[in-house]
Amino acid sequence: SQTIHQWPATLVQPVGSPLSLECTVEGTSNPNLYWYRQAAGRGLQLLFYSVGIGQISSEVPQNLSASRPQDRQFILSSKKLLLSDSGFYLCAWSVRVGQPQHFGDGTRLSIL
Amino acid sequence: GQQLNQSPQSMFIQEGEDVSMNCTSSSIFNTWLWYKQDPGEGPVLLIALYKAGELTSNGRLTAQFGITRKDSFLNISASIPSDVGIYFCAGLEISGGGADGLTFGKGTHLIIQP
Repeated sequence: SQTIHQWPATLVQPVGSPLSLECTVEGTSNPNLYWYRQAAGRGLQLLFYSVGIGQISSEVPQNLSASRPQDRQFILSSKKLLLSDSGFYLCAWSVRVGQPQHFGDGTRLSIL
Repeated sequence: GQQLNQSPQSMFIQEGEDVSMNCTSSSIFNTWLWYKQDPGEGPVLLIALYKAGELTSNGRLTAQFGITRKDSFLNISASIPSDVGIYFCAGLEISGGGADGLTFGKGTHLIIQP
């Protein structure tokens, strides 16, 4: 069966520091991959999605970037974090376009 | 962009009661999904609906894809303590560019009083 892993589970970073969150999927090939952010008390906002290695589409212009160096690896990065980057970041995968997305357990990011 | 109106925002019910929540959209979706999220965890898929008018059950949960493709509801029968959590509806639209990010409602917070 397919599984999705995100790490770290929690992260506390100072303003201006870099960021790297990692997500990997097991048990499937060539999945669609997604990064979402969830603000407190709100639904999820799509940040990036990828349909293949090296293919990244951004939905929201911001201080973050994403990369997909391997088929089942998706990375969310920032060179300099802002206070507004705090939130709950979720990675998700789907078998193909139009199919339900399955989420990891998320990373709680706090910026000090 | 797409917007989903999910209601109610929160529900305080007694154990054993039935629960009903719904989502409406100003636009058409190809797929409706219902997720449950527990504190500190990612959303877990409960039910997926693919066709207008489709009615699908998963144990005590029942969901329907509205005929107009602009709405969906989720019912939970005979609620139990483990049903507590936040329930999200999500619409899935396939754009011409291949993007299929979910549009989420703001969630219904279900609280069960003993």
